[in-house]
Amino acid sequence: DADVTQTPRNRITKTGKRIMLECSQTKGHDRMYWYRQDPGLGLQLIYYSFDVKDINKGEISDGYSVSRQAQAKFSLSLESAIPNQTALYFCATSDNRELFFGEGSRLTVL
Amino acid sequence: RKEVEQDPGPFNVPEGATVAFNCTYSNSASQSFFWYRQDCRKEPKLLMSVYSSGNEDGRFTAQLNRASQYISLLIRDSKLSDSATYLCVVNRNNNDMRFGAGTRLTVKP
Repeated sequence: DADVTQTPRNRITKTGKRIMLECSQTKGHDRMYWYRQDPGLGLQLIYYSFDVKDINKGEISDGYSVSRQAQAKFSLSLESAIPNQTALYFCATSDNRELFFGEGSRLTVL
Repeated sequence: RKEVEQDPGPFNVPEGATVAFNCTYSNSASQSFFWYRQDCRKEPKLLMSVYSSGNEDGRFTAQLNRASQYISLLIRDSKLSDSATYLCVVNRNNNDMRFGAGTRLTVKP
């Protein structure tokens, strides 16, 4: 089993719908991150969390929210999805040195 | 302007070639630096950290120039399996990790 698990792996939705991407980890790390990846732009940081009570905005947090329900779980929400949020989303954890990524969630907003 | 800049490539090289990638960063307070590798449709994975004195891991050599805010990765004796996108990653002073857009490498027989 993967150490960092993302669900769903693929999702197609319509403009205006609420979407939640979930991430869970078994590595015991306090630090968790959400990134999106677009062709030619690389990975952009959306939100990050250093523990259950800590949430920080990244480069591109507008239109997104997160919840750190437990040390092992960090979910990303799109309250009202729009087409330019179509991207590949990665969750990651960190041991304060290395990032460990999930396999990604491909989201398409029509 | 992005905080971490890389030449997107693509770099197309024959097996056995030596290839170098560069990366510049704009935040002078950045504390640590890394190269990640990403295969097509896969998640990024750590290739190597980059230390001020320069460091080597087999065929891979990483260099850091803090004065010029510049990082490099050198791959010697390229293998077909080195074909991937190489991502420069900069850790700001609060563990906020920022990525370059990546440099794509294709090694051909």
